[in-house]
Amino acid sequence: GAGVSQSPSNKVTEKGKDVELRCDPISGHTALYWYRQSLGQGLEFLIYFQGNSAPDKSGLPSDRFSAERTGGSVSTLTIQRTQQEDSAVYLCASSSPGGVQAGEQYFGPGTRLTVT
Amino acid sequence: KQEVTQIPAALSVPEGENLVLNCSFTDSAIYNLQWFRQDPGKGLTSLLLIQSSQREQTSGRLNASLDKSSGRSTLYIAASQPGDSATYLCAVKGNTPLVFGKGTRLSVIA
Repeated sequence: GAGVSQSPSNKVTEKGKDVELRCDPISGHTALYWYRQSLGQGLEFLIYFQGNSAPDKSGLPSDRFSAERTGGSVSTLTIQRTQQEDSAVYLCASSSPGGVQAGEQYFGPGTRLTVT
Repeated sequence: KQEVTQIPAALSVPEGENLVLNCSFTDSAIYNLQWFRQDPGKGLTSLLLIQSSQREQTSGRLNASLDKSSGRSTLYIAASQPGDSATYLCAVKGNTPLVFGKGTRLSVIA
């Protein structure tokens, strides 16, 4: 079946512009995660959605970052007033209804964001 | 705060060797541990998931073990091949979403 998809695959933007990154999870997966992978920083958690519950936003680095998940499926990560330090690969993952605590996470190919 | 460490950071081996990648974590209160593979410029591919109640999982030439009490996991790769060259990431799940190590970059030389 189809895996997690993300778009765009690459995004170059000027400092100060807003960007939107999209994630389509695996059909039927109720949990959706956003992570960021920066050079030298490893992978860091940003935000997590589980069903209709309020999202866990504890990983968002600043209030310029926000995310929403419409209809329990597609998610959009928005970065406002982008800064050069936002340059990274943004990865989305989803996991099955088997439970967030036990579910195996499947990752998309990522969006490479470059802020010039 | 959970911290995950992977040793070594990089490893180069000749084709055919068996090898072990190490992962350690500071908080043993985890639900599961997952090993991933990442090829350059690509996303993460899940290799093995070990639940906290399990000791090991096997898939083909890969075997992952978990010793939760000591905060350690190993990924054993048998009969390594050049196609195994990639970065291998370990991640643990506790009460927060996955916490990742920084990975081991593996090169298998033909």
